[in-house]
Amino acid sequence: GNSVTQMEGPVTLSEEAFLTINCTYTATGYPSLFWYVQYPGEGLQLLLKATKADDKGSNKGFEATYRKETTSFHLEKGSVQVSDSAVYFCALPSGGYNKLIFGAGTRLAVHP
Amino acid sequence: DSGVTQTPKHLITATGQRVTLRCSPRSGDLSVYWYQQSLDQGLQFLIQYYNGEERAKGNILERFSAQQFPDLHSELNLSSLELGDSALYFCASSSSQTGFTDTQYFGPGTRLTVL
Repeated sequence: GNSVTQMEGPVTLSEEAFLTINCTYTATGYPSLFWYVQYPGEGLQLLLKATKADDKGSNKGFEATYRKETTSFHLEKGSVQVSDSAVYFCALPSGGYNKLIFGAGTRLAVHP
Repeated sequence: DSGVTQTPKHLITATGQRVTLRCSPRSGDLSVYWYQQSLDQGLQFLIQYYNGEERAKGNILERFSAQQFPDLHSELNLSSLELGDSALYFCASSSSQTGFTDTQYFGPGTRLTVL
């Protein structure tokens, strides 16, 4: 079945630093790819998605490009803020496309 | 706000007990999914319902069951609770039956603590 591997955290950055969180996947076909974010004490929020190869998802300054040749969907942000401190999950559908499978999550801590 | 609601927000109970978690999907969504988030297992898919019918099953224990009602809300029943069932339980909804390109929107979760 499909699978996803996400870089381990925690990632600690200073405010305004550049962020990259790596995500690689194996998949049958070309399912949509997702990044979800979980802020402290809250549920999962969809951050961005990409539905086909070379598609770029973006939201709140975050971007990720669906790379078929490298099977990657890395999350980037040019200048992080303290409010970006959260756990980030890479995900894709699997198992007949009904269920989402998630990476282990990467905890980001941004300091002023 | 995703539009998915879950109640209760927190639940504390004892081993051996039974609890019911409730989820209301976004308006117009026919699919409901249940996930469990625990420290050791991460985020795991439990079960999916589409328009009242079970569609997919994941790592759901036999002590757990779910259903989706005609008004499309769903309930997850957990019985004979064990300490290891303590986790955050998420409900998600989407508009279609399959998730190839569909987006799942998550509720705020129910935190279950079994003492």
